[in-house]
Amino acid sequence: QVQLQESGPGLVKPSETLSLICTVSGGSMNGYYWSWIRQPPGKGLEWLGYIYYSGSITYNPSLKSRVTILVDTSKNQFSLKVNSVTAADTAVYYCARVGHTSGWYASYWGQGTLVTVSS
Amino acid sequence: QSVLTQPPSVSGAPGQRVTISCTGSSSNIGTGYDVHWYQQLPGTAPKLLIYDTNNRPSGVPDRFSGSKSGTSASLAISGLQAEDEADYYCQSYDSSLSAWVFGGGTKLTVL
Repeated sequence: QVQLQESGPGLVKPSETLSLICTVSGGSMNGYYWSWIRQPPGKGLEWLGYIYYSGSITYNPSLKSRVTILVDTSKNQFSLKVNSVTAADTAVYYCARVGHTSGWYASYWGQGTLVTVSS
Repeated sequence: QSVLTQPPSVSGAPGQRVTISCTGSSSNIGTGYDVHWYQQLPGTAPKLLIYDTNNRPSGVPDRFSGSKSGTSASLAISGLQAEDEADYYCQSYDSSLSAWVFGGGTKLTVL
């Protein structure tokens, strides 16, 4: 069964860039879409975007100007960058594999990693 | 303020049936976009519970079921068990926002 693991710094300073990597194991990235979703402490979920294994990307328009998602299938990884961060970007960040049947949804999730934005 | 509206909390006794509503609008559920549900146990990542409105992934008990009507969807949990105590989120697609949208989450308490 596919497993996903997020990694990256747990603390980022305001105005700097948040960078995370998701490593996929137990299966190939080929043929699938891969997504980032975040959850501020004590709050709900927010979709950031997804990327196809071939590199085609769809971003949440509300964050598009600050978010970059890339994929490296040779390493079985995809990544997230959020620039010009503020305290509002403090959240648990999840990576997920996208299911696409009739609708689109997050079928498998990583355990999540907490990123705190603070000086 | 979430695009999809869920009750903040619901509760029920073991063995009972509870439902969680998810109310959207004409730009998401009302347009016919599918609704998906996730279960988030305390301190863990969300887990897909229902996809495409009423389908259960392998391993999800048939005590969980989903439905949709008009601009709303519902998650029903029958034969409530203590292990069902968790936060539940609905998710769909919104054509006006061109984005996946989530409900604010509902905390289920098993009395």
